[in-house]
Amino acid sequence: NAGVTQTPKFRVLKTGQSMTLLCAQDMNHEYMYWYRQDPGMGLRLIHYSVGEGTTAKGEVPDGYNVSRLKKQNFLLGLESAAPSQTSVYFCASSTGGEQYFGPGTRLTVT
Amino acid sequence: AQSVAQPEDQVNVAEGNPLTVKCTYSVSGNPYLFWYVQYPNRGLQFLLKYITGDNLVKGSYGFEAEFNKSQTSFHLKKPSALVSDSALYFCAVRDMNYGGATNKLIFGTGTLLAVQP
Repeated sequence: NAGVTQTPKFRVLKTGQSMTLLCAQDMNHEYMYWYRQDPGMGLRLIHYSVGEGTTAKGEVPDGYNVSRLKKQNFLLGLESAAPSQTSVYFCASSTGGEQYFGPGTRLTVT
Repeated sequence: AQSVAQPEDQVNVAEGNPLTVKCTYSVSGNPYLFWYVQYPNRGLQFLLKYITGDNLVKGSYGFEAEFNKSQTSFHLKKPSALVSDSALYFCAVRDMNYGGATNKLIFGTGTLLAVQP
């Protein structure tokens, strides 16, 4: 099992550009989550999904969109990147107990 | 409001000494509590959890945690620290809104553990 994988690992964007981060899990988990991690602020939930075809807003959803068309994939989109979105992004999945995390995507917006 | 507090930004301990990383929580009902570890440039790794039962929970890499309901605490402990334990540690509690159905976790801000040789 690969567990939770994230693509890409690193990315540099210019302000106003768009991109999509891909999260994939091979554990047949129902729940999936997108977080951002910034120094001194811990992890903040951006969006989450409780099952295929469902999405919901988390703590800091502005500027992001998500889709969960397939159970194993959870996509995070930035339509018009801003420097404030410079962060490390983590995806996680769960069956209902502990969450399992991917290795992260380091995004820099210049 | 539901929350998790990790009162220490950093904990320093000498190798071989016992370590404690503190966590307190505020949530309605019976808490589901978790500890995670993050090594540099890596994702979070699950260490242990408390759902119900024995107040002393054992987890990976020799770590354990003690649930104390009266003090609303869930401190992480290890009898003998290793230099390789140096990492960032996060405490989390399940969000109990909607009966916990979303399985969201509320994370503390993290405690950096530094083990000196």
